[in-house]
Amino acid sequence: AQSVSQHNHHVILSEAASLELGCNYSYGGTVNLFWYVQYPGQHLQLLLKYFSGDPLVKGIKGFEAEFIKSKFSFNLRKPSVQWSDTAEYFCAVRGNDMRFGAGTRLTVKP
Amino acid sequence: DGGITQSPKYLFRKEGQNVTLSCEQNLNHDAMYWYRQDPGQGLRLIYYSQIVNDFQKGDIAEGYSVSREKKESFPLTVTSAQKNPTAFYLCASSIYPAWTIIHEQYFGPGTRLTVT
Repeated sequence: AQSVSQHNHHVILSEAASLELGCNYSYGGTVNLFWYVQYPGQHLQLLLKYFSGDPLVKGIKGFEAEFIKSKFSFNLRKPSVQWSDTAEYFCAVRGNDMRFGAGTRLTVKP
Repeated sequence: DGGITQSPKYLFRKEGQNVTLSCEQNLNHDAMYWYRQDPGQGLRLIYYSQIVNDFQKGDIAEGYSVSREKKESFPLTVTSAQKNPTAFYLCASSIYPAWTIIHEQYFGPGTRLTVT
């Protein structure tokens, strides 16, 4: 089974700063990749997903992620964060089953 | 409104008691899942069900049991055999089983279980 690693446990940024959250996985086969977000007090919801095609995927709220197969990575990016982006972010990888990373808590200071 | 409901939001139990967490969906999804979320560990799969009357163990099934008698419902029982039951439990569903066809999972609001 594959594993998923999210490098940052807690990231603190000021508004308008750029964001990059790392996600690496270990699996030799074909993967589908997801980023989920959990806003305070809300359901876990899908931010974006990659199945095939263009490795640069755009999601909701200005987020994007790039699949780099050679690096087994699927990092999440946003050019300018807002206070409302404060949440916990989970990377998930579907190889032969579905695995979630440990999550990264993002705090955006106004 | 379509979605997944979990009840109750908070649940307290004494050690040694079994407790059942409810999960209902009206999305007409075939597959349903139970995850456990602990700080710093992400989501870990407890059980999943691809169709009615069938379910499979996930990574941490010991001390848990499930049933899938109806498509809409997938209750999870935390038994007294679960050594560390205090956690946040999330139920999810997807249109087709996540292992075979590519669809994202939809999550419920979760139940926070505290066992003392």
